[in-house]
Amino acid sequence: DIVMTQTPLSSPVTLGQPASISCRSSQSLVHSDGDTYLSWLQQRPGQPPRLLIYKVSERFAGVPDRFSGSGAGTDFTLKISRVEPEDVGIYYCMQGTQFPLTFGGGTKVEIK
Amino acid sequence: QVQLQESGPGLVKPSQTLSLTCTVSGGSISSDGYYWNWIRQHPGKGLEWIGYIYYSGNTYFNPSLKSRLTMSVDTSKNQFSLKLSSVTAADTAVYYCARLRIKISFGGVIVGNWFDPWGQGTLVTVSS
Repeated sequence: DIVMTQTPLSSPVTLGQPASISCRSSQSLVHSDGDTYLSWLQQRPGQPPRLLIYKVSERFAGVPDRFSGSGAGTDFTLKISRVEPEDVGIYYCMQGTQFPLTFGGGTKVEIK
Repeated sequence: QVQLQESGPGLVKPSQTLSLTCTVSGGSISSDGYYWNWIRQHPGKGLEWIGYIYYSGNTYFNPSLKSRLTMSVDTSKNQFSLKLSSVTAADTAVYYCARLRIKISFGGVIVGNWFDPWGQGTLVTVSS
């Protein structure tokens, strides 16, 4: 199975400031078709996860443009350009390149 | 838009079978290009993918749970279901159903593109 490792575990951020979350996979997520199937999900307190980003950097419909994804191979990053109160929650990366699908352990974004 | 809703008992006794159903509304479970999934989240923990079913009945399960899993689909009711046998306290979790957009790559290899939408989740506690 592909192991997904996220850092940091927790990220206290000042409102209006940027936040960055890293995700590393135990093997390359580049599929033989040339695409990389890495997505990011947000889970607000008491809510199910919500898709933010797919294929590394594609923003899903309705997702604010302060969220952006980047990376390649085994190293990926989710950035929030200016954290807003509604961004509080746990963020997960997920790989879809190989079954079984696997998730990172999560990074908690909280306000300082 | 498509919405998913889980249903089933919130309490299951150890060694018994956990049974959940996910009802799809706002769209057809028989849509091409989507697989229907179960994912669980142990209390205060991360996400664990359980498995998927296609409307044709094809399934793929996480090897860690495969020996105890059954999934089925009822296209007439727009529902799919999960059965997990011989449960223990370690199966206590919030169970989510979610739609997976898939892509069929070269040679028929399936890749998981993204999960959306998700159901609200249902807490299942295994206890006597």
